[in-house]
Amino acid sequence: SYELTQPPSVSVSPGQTARITCSGDALPKHYAYWYQQKPGQAPVLVIYKDTERPSGIPERFSGSSSGTTVTLTISGVQAEDEADYYCQSADSSGIKVFGGGTKLTVL
Amino acid sequence: QVQLVQSGAEVKKPGASVKVSCKASGYSFTSYDINWVRQATGQGLEWMGWMNPKSGNTGYAQKFQGRVTLTRNTSISTAYMELSSLRSEDTAVYYCANSVRGYHWNAFDIWGQGTMVTVSS
Repeated sequence: SYELTQPPSVSVSPGQTARITCSGDALPKHYAYWYQQKPGQAPVLVIYKDTERPSGIPERFSGSSSGTTVTLTISGVQAEDEADYYCQSADSSGIKVFGGGTKLTVL
Repeated sequence: QVQLVQSGAEVKKPGASVKVSCKASGYSFTSYDINWVRQATGQGLEWMGWMNPKSGNTGYAQKFQGRVTLTRNTSISTAYMELSSLRSEDTAVYYCANSVRGYHWNAFDIWGQGTMVTVSS
């Protein structure tokens, strides 16, 4: 199995840009996905296949990939974006893994 | 509409087993794998395993090999996760999830509401 590493926390002021990274040796070979989870709720998919945004997800959410690191960027952060964010990937046999999660605080 | 509805909260004693159900509706149950993910209170998401409802094929995270069993009943569009030899560390919310919205087969675009399992003597 492999691991995905995220920073435990990121803090930004409203209107600023938040960047949350996820690192893993397998990421150059396998797509990453990002989820937003608010307290007491199930996670919500916000980015898939490294950079794609599902319908209904605001345009301020974007994803990028470079080598062994993928990044979730939230431009013009709003108070409602305060949540935990998780990256996830999967290997060729269907085994999945989540990163440890990043708590985004909007100051 | 497309949804996954899970069974209610459970309280179990250490050493016992728990079986959580996940009923699918609004789509063809056998067309999409069902995955199971758990989350201990205040902790991160932890992937447990997947099942193909059509074939019954499964894959498990190494951590849960030998202790978790994923099954299904296609006649009632329901998937099951059974976890045995429960210990206090298994206290968590358990989710089923799949990729029915079609973004990518490894992306969980729909989730059940979660089932709280408490292991306590």
